[in-house]
Amino acid sequence: QSALTQPPSASGSPGQSVTFSCTGTSSDVGGYNFVSWYQQHPGKAPKLMIYEVSKRPSGVPDRFSGSKSGNTASLTVSGLQAEDEADYFCSSYAGTNTLVFGTGTKVTVL
Amino acid sequence: EVQLVQSGAEVKKPGESLEISCKTSGYSFTSYWVVWVRQLPGEGLEWMGSIYPSDAATRHNPAFQGQVTISADRSISTAYLQWSTLRASDTAMYYCARRGLRNSLDVWGQGTTVTVSS
Repeated sequence: QSALTQPPSASGSPGQSVTFSCTGTSSDVGGYNFVSWYQQHPGKAPKLMIYEVSKRPSGVPDRFSGSKSGNTASLTVSGLQAEDEADYFCSSYAGTNTLVFGTGTKVTVL
Repeated sequence: EVQLVQSGAEVKKPGESLEISCKTSGYSFTSYWVVWVRQLPGEGLEWMGSIYPSDAATRHNPAFQGQVTISADRSISTAYLQWSTLRASDTAMYYCARRGLRNSLDVWGQGTTVTVSS
């Protein structure tokens, strides 16, 4: 079970958009529409931002959006704000009640 | 309100045993998988394993199979993560989470720091 691949870092200025990827295989990302994204600020527990590829839980701003094509999922943060600076992790269902996480992307607001 | 409250920080020596807990409230404990996640210092998230409290079914990441035991006590809506022999490499933050909305981890515990040092 290999970790999903994410770019180590991404950045943008306030108000801009940033998009980063999460690449897996046909056994996880490509095989199921159960990709989730989590935001983690330093010293805090992760927070669910996107589930089922593109759905937002209640309370998550619509600046956050997700998509998927083949074995690659993506998270876009539009209208970047200072509080969006955090680590972001994707995860995917991988069959038989197993999960796999991505390697994580550190988002910096310039 | 759905809550997962984890036990406090632990400092142990190599070779010792340990059990940390995750007490849940605000939902039907037996209706959702509870997941354990490891985060090594400065590193990413790793799925360790999960338990379905209704029938105590478990699933493990092969990397952790045989290294930890995952259990649950339905009577007190609490999940556990146990080590029989700790190693320095087990030093990490451990989170429990509820597998809720369409296979996502929708509610997380606050985390338990485990430090293993001689």
